[in-house]
Amino acid sequence: AQTVTQSQPEMSVQEAETVTLSCTYDTSESNYYLFWYKQPPSRQMILVIRQEAYKQQNATENRFSVNFQKAAKSFSLKISDSQLGDTAMYFCALSPDKIIFGKGTRLHILP
Amino acid sequence: DTEVTQTPKHLVMGMTNKKSLKCEQHMGHRAMYWYKQKAKKPPELMFVYSYEKLSINESVPSRFSPECPNSSLLNLHLHALQPEDSALYLCASSQESGRGHTEAFFGQGTRLTVV
Repeated sequence: AQTVTQSQPEMSVQEAETVTLSCTYDTSESNYYLFWYKQPPSRQMILVIRQEAYKQQNATENRFSVNFQKAAKSFSLKISDSQLGDTAMYFCALSPDKIIFGKGTRLHILP
Repeated sequence: DTEVTQTPKHLVMGMTNKKSLKCEQHMGHRAMYWYKQKAKKPPELMFVYSYEKLSINESVPSRFSPECPNSSLLNLHLHALQPEDSALYLCASSQESGRGHTEAFFGQGTRLTVV
């Protein structure tokens, strides 16, 4: 069975601060992808960043970066210089043969 | 074009009605998905189509019937639904590689209300 666990239901940070969202996962597959998705109140699910499990280098997309620890099955998301527009629900997701999601972390960026 | 289009955006139906949700993508993706999402919950996988064949059914009740007429289209036929089936229904598509399904692109969803 594949599982994704996000242990932080809700977080708040001040604008311009750095915040880290945690995610752990479990899969018996050797090949898979990991993702972070963002879902604002507008409900559109938007891909933030992806990581291929066979790559050791951590993925980076502008202000978003991940810390991928394959042995520990950990995949955290760091948001630098947070902006008001980053306020959203963030889902960690795992994909071997299907894409499954963690329960999400609701992130509030405070002015 | 990285768009997944879902219609309708909103749907209200009675418990005896039959309706269909539609999804279309033109990215050449060969995997397509239906998810159900309740408020403040993560998307819950319902079905996966791979190369136009149903590859995963997550024990979804038979009142939900998926169909994949071709590689660009995905339908979800609804019949005799219950009020608890009211939710946001999301369609998504992705590529399949030898290393798993790549990132999914999502539509904006259909907000379904069963009365």
